[in-house]
Amino acid sequence: KAGVTQTPRYLIKTRGQQVTLSCSPISGHRSVSWYQQTPGQGLQFLFEYFSETQRNKGNFPGRFSGRQFSNSRSEMNVSTLELGDSALYLCASSLVNNEQFFGPGTRLTVL
Amino acid sequence: AQRVTQPEKLLSVFKGAPVELKCNYSYSGSPELFWYVQYSRQRLQLLLRHISRESIKGFTADLNKGETSFHLKKPFAQEEDSAMYYCALSADSGNTGKLIFGQGTTLQVKP
Repeated sequence: KAGVTQTPRYLIKTRGQQVTLSCSPISGHRSVSWYQQTPGQGLQFLFEYFSETQRNKGNFPGRFSGRQFSNSRSEMNVSTLELGDSALYLCASSLVNNEQFFGPGTRLTVL
Repeated sequence: AQRVTQPEKLLSVFKGAPVELKCNYSYSGSPELFWYVQYSRQRLQLLLRHISRESIKGFTADLNKGETSFHLKKPFAQEEDSAMYYCALSADSGNTGKLIFGQGTTLQVKP
């Protein structure tokens, strides 16, 4: 079974731009969660989607948004990028019982 | 507030020595706890979860509700155990895909 995939793997943007990251879950998994990983703050939960609906949201500003499609693929969008948004963005999918399988991440650098 | 604390950023031991990675949590409900591991250049992966009570790669962890702890232990460390270890708490009693992570502990096993 193929694992969670994320595209692109690396991204460089400038302040003020917007970015869209994509996550394809393991086949059959309906829940997709997103996390931001930084050296200072560690792993922080952004949001979770289940069956195309946002089921949970972390404490991030409204510039961070996401969506999920009918095939369970998910995208997250960050608008008006700030330098502090530079991070590794991880997505994870799960089938049941909250056992999450993580993707390799997208490394976003904001200049 | 829901919080996970891993007090040690780095734990360095010699091969064959016992290992204990500490994790304390703060959660008002019935917690569901996990240990995730990230080996060099690999994605984050589940090591074990408290409800399964399994021993994975020689590691065990016992949930102590009185001390609100979920320490990870291994009697004899191996060099291949060197990695970053994260303790995580499932919010909402495990019904959603929201994990709260500790800051992580780097385990370094010296030959």
